[in-house]
Amino acid sequence: EAGVAQSPRYKIIEKRQSVAFWCNPISGHATLYWYQQILGQGPKLLIQFQNNGVVDDSQLPKDRFSAERLKGVDSTLKIQPAKLEDSAVYLCASRPGRTGELFFGEGSRLTVL
Amino acid sequence: AQKITQTQPGMFVQEKEAVTLDCTYDTSDQSYGLFWYKQPSSGEMIFLIYQGSYDEQNATEGRYSLNFQKARKSANLVISASQLGDSAMYFCAMRGLLSGGYNKLIFGAGTRLAVHP
Repeated sequence: EAGVAQSPRYKIIEKRQSVAFWCNPISGHATLYWYQQILGQGPKLLIQFQNNGVVDDSQLPKDRFSAERLKGVDSTLKIQPAKLEDSAVYLCASRPGRTGELFFGEGSRLTVL
Repeated sequence: AQKITQTQPGMFVQEKEAVTLDCTYDTSDQSYGLFWYKQPSSGEMIFLIYQGSYDEQNATEGRYSLNFQKARKSANLVISASQLGDSAMYFCAMRGLLSGGYNKLIFGAGTRLAVHP
């Protein structure tokens, strides 16, 4: 079974530029998450989708971050404009239903200069 | 509010010895779940073990066991017979309840484990 796919693995941009990350969850997984993991910290939930609807985006900085999950399958997380403090690993995870463990991708490491 | 606390930023253990990684949590939910994940230097998060709040027995998965003390709100991970490949970051996480019956997972700050030969 294929795992959660993320791209790109690494991205370096300058502040005020924009960036987009893509995630393809495990086939059939209805729930999709984006987490931000700053170096030395635990992952922090940015947004959670159930199929193509948002169920929690309370910690998403909506002035610069946006995410969508069209057709309830893959998802894109965008940052525009990026700030230095956005340097982090962006982890995508999926889960088949409402409970159970999450399956994570390898993450997309963003460096903002 | 729900919160996970891991008070040990770093731990080290000799190969073949056992080690305990601490985790305490705070929640007002009656039903919740506790997870442990391993994050090697490559970055992926690997699920290790799960304990439900109503489970009467401590969860075990191979060399991993979870020492669940509900009254003390602690869910410590015990790794027996440590191996060099166990060197990684370890995160404790809790399933919290959102409106609509959905669940989210919140993580602690993590503990870095180093296994020495």
